[in-house]
Amino acid sequence: DAKTTQPNSMESNEEEPVHLPCNHSTISGTDYIHWYRQLPSQGPEYVIHGLTSNVNNRMASLAIAEDRKSSTLILHRATLRDAAVYYCILTGTASKLTFGTGTRLQVTL
Amino acid sequence: GAVVSQHPSRVICKSGTSVKIECRSLDFQATTMFWYRQFPKQSLMLMATSNEGSKATYEQGVEKDKFLINHASLTLSTLTVTSAHPEDSSFYICSARDLATSGNTIYFGEGSWLTVV
Repeated sequence: DAKTTQPNSMESNEEEPVHLPCNHSTISGTDYIHWYRQLPSQGPEYVIHGLTSNVNNRMASLAIAEDRKSSTLILHRATLRDAAVYYCILTGTASKLTFGTGTRLQVTL
Repeated sequence: GAVVSQHPSRVICKSGTSVKIECRSLDFQATTMFWYRQFPKQSLMLMATSNEGSKATYEQGVEKDKFLINHASLTLSTLTVTSAHPEDSSFYICSARDLATSGNTIYFGEGSWLTVV
């Protein structure tokens, strides 16, 4: 499975936008980019996914670079409930969804 | 989004006994499910891939005779920890792949805390 690289941690103030980067330079043409987040003592929660075009949903936006070697998860207005570990993962039809260390997002008042 | 449910959410068992954790996809059929374990402050570690109607595929270093996986139907996979020991205490998480989504999105259960005393 292609690997992803994320910063270990990021901080944000509440109600400000947050941009969480992810590098995936070895992505293949059929890999989707998935983002999950995990709160303490809970299973990962699906956030968003995309292939080539930018995507929006009620939780976040996903901006995908034109060469697909990087992507950015955008939380438009961070709240305290958004504090979690965010994982960027590449998935193909047969991929196993291997987790890296993710980015721990801290949100402060 | 799709729902995956795990049961029990917490279980305590005595050393030497076996414990079963169930994983159900509630609103979609899942030919493939995955089992992970997670230690505190660490990332998820894939243990095995469960395929409906066939044997599970285990990751390197995971004992298949200790962690028995059964995927007898399109909505249910079970993980049985046999002869449990305190070092098996961990957070176990299952997930299921929804082939109906554009990206074959995988959804996760709530996780199950296992404590072996």
